[in-house]
Amino acid sequence: DAEITQSPRHKITETGRQVTLACHQTWNHNNMFWYRQDLGHGLRLIHYSYGVQDTNKGEVSDGYSVSRSNTEDLPLTLESAASSQTSVYFCASSEGGPTNEQFFGPGTRLTVL
Amino acid sequence: GENVEQHPSTLSVQEGDSAVIKCTYSDSASNYFPWYKQELGKRPQLIIDIRSNVGEKKDQRIAVTLNKTAKHFSLHITETQPEDSAVYFCAASIRGSARQLTFGSGTQLTVLP
Repeated sequence: DAEITQSPRHKITETGRQVTLACHQTWNHNNMFWYRQDLGHGLRLIHYSYGVQDTNKGEVSDGYSVSRSNTEDLPLTLESAASSQTSVYFCASSEGGPTNEQFFGPGTRLTVL
Repeated sequence: GENVEQHPSTLSVQEGDSAVIKCTYSDSASNYFPWYKQELGKRPQLIIDIRSNVGEKKDQRIAVTLNKTAKHFSLHITETQPEDSAVYFCAASIRGSARQLTFGSGTQLTVLP
């Protein structure tokens, strides 16, 4: 069955380290998104992509980067992790077209010490 | 950009009672309004959505209403059950163009047995 996966599911790192969170979908969706979820803030958009080689900044993009070299993957990189980036990160994808339904991955809990 | 406000942040109801969650949006160009349910430790999942050419939509015990003039939309859950306990997020999007979703901050619904 088609799905969207994230890895790792849990990660503990230290401030200043580079961290990459993986997101992989097998629906062949063009649109992919990264969100962070913090209590009281809901889901905030970090970066998004509408296709290969396309990336765009979202509401809270500072300190994060993404790249899209194929349809299936959108890795999220924290260049120099900060304690303020401790959060739960969700990847999502959507087909676009007549529906905007986004399908979410299982999430990655990141702790920056 | 779009701003979505959601109220209340927490809601407790007795089993069998109804629950109502309200959202307002700022961008009059928004025309797609989904609701996501997130159970504890799980990923958000779409439960119902409405487009701006419709004023109300129902799916069994769940309904969503939209008032474009006032720029607000609401989720109604009737005959609540313990399994309805979760965090609910509203969102808004300009379908067909940006395809992004702007989420509200979430409502923790607790259904008391």
